[in-house]
Amino acid sequence: EADIYQTPRYLVIGTGKKITLECSQTMGHDKMYWYQQDPGMELHLIHYSYGVNSTEKGDLSSESTVSRIRTEHFPLTLESARPSHTSQYLCASSVTVNTEAFFGQGTRLTVV
Amino acid sequence: RKEVEQDPGPFNVPEGATVAFNCTYSNSASQSFFWYRQDCRKEPKLLMSVYSSGNEDGRFTAQLNRASQYISLLIRDSKLSDSATYLCVVNMNTGFQKLVFGTGTRLLVSP
Repeated sequence: EADIYQTPRYLVIGTGKKITLECSQTMGHDKMYWYQQDPGMELHLIHYSYGVNSTEKGDLSSESTVSRIRTEHFPLTLESARPSHTSQYLCASSVTVNTEAFFGQGTRLTVV
Repeated sequence: RKEVEQDPGPFNVPEGATVAFNCTYSNSASQSFFWYRQDCRKEPKLLMSVYSSGNEDGRFTAQLNRASQYISLLIRDSKLSDSATYLCVVNMNTGFQKLVFGTGTRLLVSP
C-alpha cells in the first residue's frame, strides 16, 4: 500500500467558501501532483511540484493554488469555491518523473 | 494529436476470454511506460510497468513497440474482477517532464 493520504475524503461545501484539500506522503518523494477527475472522465493534471518551493500549473487551467513548503505536504486551496469546482481531486507522488506515481484515495468535492 | 491515445471501449468480454488493449504515444523520446487500473470511483493503482523486452505478471502481459510508438496490455483468462478501466501512462520529456495519462479503456467481463 502506498503511504499517501488525502483529507477529507468527502467534502460538501457552500459556494464562496475557502477550502484546503490536504495531501501528505511519507515516502520522501520529491515529485507530487494534483489531478482532477470528473466521474467517468479522464484525469487532468492541474498542479505539480518537483520539490520544496517548486510548484507549476498543469495542463488543465484551475482556479486552485498549491504550496510545497515541506517535502511531505502538498495542499491545494480554493479561495472561493463554486459549483463548477465539483469534482474528484487526486493527489499523487513519485520518486522521479520516470517512475510510477502512487495515488491517494482522493477527495470528492461537492460545491452547492 | 493527443499525447497518449487509447480506445475508450467499453470492451465487453465473457469470463475466460483473452482481451488486448493498445495505447499509442506521440513523443518518441518517452522512456517510461505503465499500465494502471482504476475501479469505479477509486484512485488509479499501478498494474505493471512496461519494459522494452516486454514483461508478464500472471495473466497480464505488457509489451512495448518503440518503432510504432505503442504499448499493449494482454489479459488472459479474464475474471469478473478484471472489470475496470485500464489507463496507459507515458512519461513525456517536452520542456518539462511529466507523466501523461490516457483516457482509459473500460473493460467489462461478464459471466
